[in-house]
Amino acid sequence: GIQVEQSPPDLILQEGANSTLRCNFSDSVNNLQWFHQNPWGQLINLFYIPSGTKQNGRLSATTVATERYSLLYISSSQTTDSGVYFCAVEVDMRFGAGTRLTVKP
Amino acid sequence: DAGVTQSPTHLIKTRGQQVTLRCSPKSGHDTVSWYQQALGQGPQFIFQYYEEEERQRGNFPDRFSGHQFPNYSSELNVNALLLGDSALYLCASSLGSEAFFGQGTRLTVV
Repeated sequence: GIQVEQSPPDLILQEGANSTLRCNFSDSVNNLQWFHQNPWGQLINLFYIPSGTKQNGRLSATTVATERYSLLYISSSQTTDSGVYFCAVEVDMRFGAGTRLTVKP
Repeated sequence: DAGVTQSPTHLIKTRGQQVTLRCSPKSGHDTVSWYQQALGQGPQFIFQYYEEEERQRGNFPDRFSGHQFPNYSSELNVNALLLGDSALYLCASSLGSEAFFGQGTRLTVV
């Protein structure tokens, strides 16, 4: 099956800093999503992005399907951005291990 | 739109018992998938239901079974509970490709 690797596993930032999270996948995919898991466990949809670039406020994402990776950009980070960020691919949603982001005030 | 709802939110069961978790999909969604998330790990795909049939299954034993009803809601059943079944169980619904998740059921097996 498809392997999904996320990096870095942990990231600590000061409030206001920018960050880039990466998701590599081992085969071509037709479906890719980014999620933010809040402290209560709920997965919040950030982007559905099998290819191309999307932006939503301070967040943006780019997927280069031909090179099998996706990037999530967070600009001007806030403490509320803290949590675990997951990418997941394909219709059965194979998840990476996540990136744990901590934003310090 | 109520989104995806799961019940119960928390549950404590004894080893060897059976448990049923429930999921109501987002309005208009016809596909329901279930995931198990152990502490500190990413969610693992259990199975997916579409038109009341199991369409895909992950690497989980037969103790894990499910059902989808005509209104698209779904149940996850786990028999002969093991301590290792303690986890957050997530349900997702979709219509097409984009999936939306419920808040999860946290199962503790003692």
